[in-house]
Amino acid sequence: SQELEQSPQSLIVQEGKNLTINCTSSKTLYGLYWYKQKYGEGLIFLMMLQKGGEEKSHEKITAKLDEKKQQSSLHITASQPSHAGIYLCGADIIGGGSQGNLIFGKGTKLSVKP
Amino acid sequence: EAGVVQSPRYKIIEKKQPVAFWCNPISGHNTLYWYLQNLGQGPELLIRYENEEAVDDSQLPKDRFSAERLKGVDSTLKIQPAELGDSAVYLCASSRVQFSTQYFGPGTRLTVL
Repeated sequence: SQELEQSPQSLIVQEGKNLTINCTSSKTLYGLYWYKQKYGEGLIFLMMLQKGGEEKSHEKITAKLDEKKQQSSLHITASQPSHAGIYLCGADIIGGGSQGNLIFGKGTKLSVKP
Repeated sequence: EAGVVQSPRYKIIEKKQPVAFWCNPISGHNTLYWYLQNLGQGPELLIRYENEEAVDDSQLPKDRFSAERLKGVDSTLKIQPAELGDSAVYLCASSRVQFSTQYFGPGTRLTVL
């Protein structure tokens, strides 16, 4: 079973609209990372969350980690074509595998229509 | 600061042939990772190095895959012989130390015919 579930799997939004991507774990997360990937390229680091209730922002992207540290959301405000790509969450899950190794979700494919 | 460098970017080989991928991590990063990413999936760890020591290779198919990180800097991942199912993107990442943020290279897209 997938230890990190991302939803939705894909998303098409009109330019200027807001959107939210979710990442859920059945176990407590030690650290939660958000990456962006464009087709044929590597992962670009966006943000890292570690404390329950933590929220970070970079430009128009905001990520939150819930108090129980089992779910994170990534919110994009006023989406632009440059936001298009695959968003991946990766986490070090307490009690799941070797600590220090990230487990990734399957990703959310975002398309932004001009 | 230069990012993680990988080569080649693309490789097409016939099954049963050997193939090797090279990775140069960010300068000063002690931890190096090799990941496998299949289409529509997230990356899956193959092996993690702390300096020159492979500290987690539990997911590496050792019958055909091998890796080395001589002198604790560059690393090479080899497949011999390659199978059709090995077609995927092979990603290298590095972090300053264990538990710190991982930075990824552009990956090598392998196609096995």
